[in-house]
Amino acid sequence: DADVTQTPRNRITKTGKRIMLECSQTKGHDRMYWYRQDPGLGLRLIYYSFDVKDINKGEISDGYSVSRQAQAKFSLSLESAIPNQTALYFCATSDFSDSVDTQYFGPGTRLTVL
Amino acid sequence: AQKITQTQPGMFVQEKEAVTLDCTYDTSDPSYGLFWYKQPSSGEMIFLIYQGSYDQQNATEGRYSLNFQKARKSANLVISASQLGDSAMYFCAMRDDLMTTDSWGKLQFGAGTQVVVTP
Repeated sequence: DADVTQTPRNRITKTGKRIMLECSQTKGHDRMYWYRQDPGLGLRLIYYSFDVKDINKGEISDGYSVSRQAQAKFSLSLESAIPNQTALYFCATSDFSDSVDTQYFGPGTRLTVL
Repeated sequence: AQKITQTQPGMFVQEKEAVTLDCTYDTSDPSYGLFWYKQPSSGEMIFLIYQGSYDQQNATEGRYSLNFQKARKSANLVISASQLGDSAMYFCAMRDDLMTTDSWGKLQFGAGTQVVVTP
């Protein structure tokens, strides 16, 4: 089984709809992250959480919200989706106790907003 | 503010040849980490190699090595003996490790370099 899972893997939705992307991990990591990837722009950080009670905005948080339901679960919500939120979304995790604190990524969710 | 630059949008390399992917970064912080990730056409992000700013030696992981030139602020990835399975997008990323800065703990990515390995 994969260490970091994302659901759904693909989603098509309409403008104005609320949508939630979910991330679960079995790695036991304390830190979790949400990124989006647009062609030619690399990955950009949306939100991150260093533990269950810690939520922080990233570079492009407008239009998004998150919830850290447990150490293993971190959800990203689009309250009212718009077409320019069409992108590939990645969840990542890392372990602060690891000297390198490498981020490990889930498989991604491809979101299309019509 | 940090910035990661990958100047090569795409490269072709023949199988069994070595290829160097360029990455330069901009930071005024003394403590930082540099990462390379591989993204095959299937989409997942795969961690390849890490270099800490205080590491004296260049990092190596199998066929991957990182040519770290701190004074020039470059962290080029070298893939030796290229294989067809190396065809992918490669991303350089940096993380600021200084706890007193706003960017602490966050990865910033470059735009990536698409590598195509030909037979």
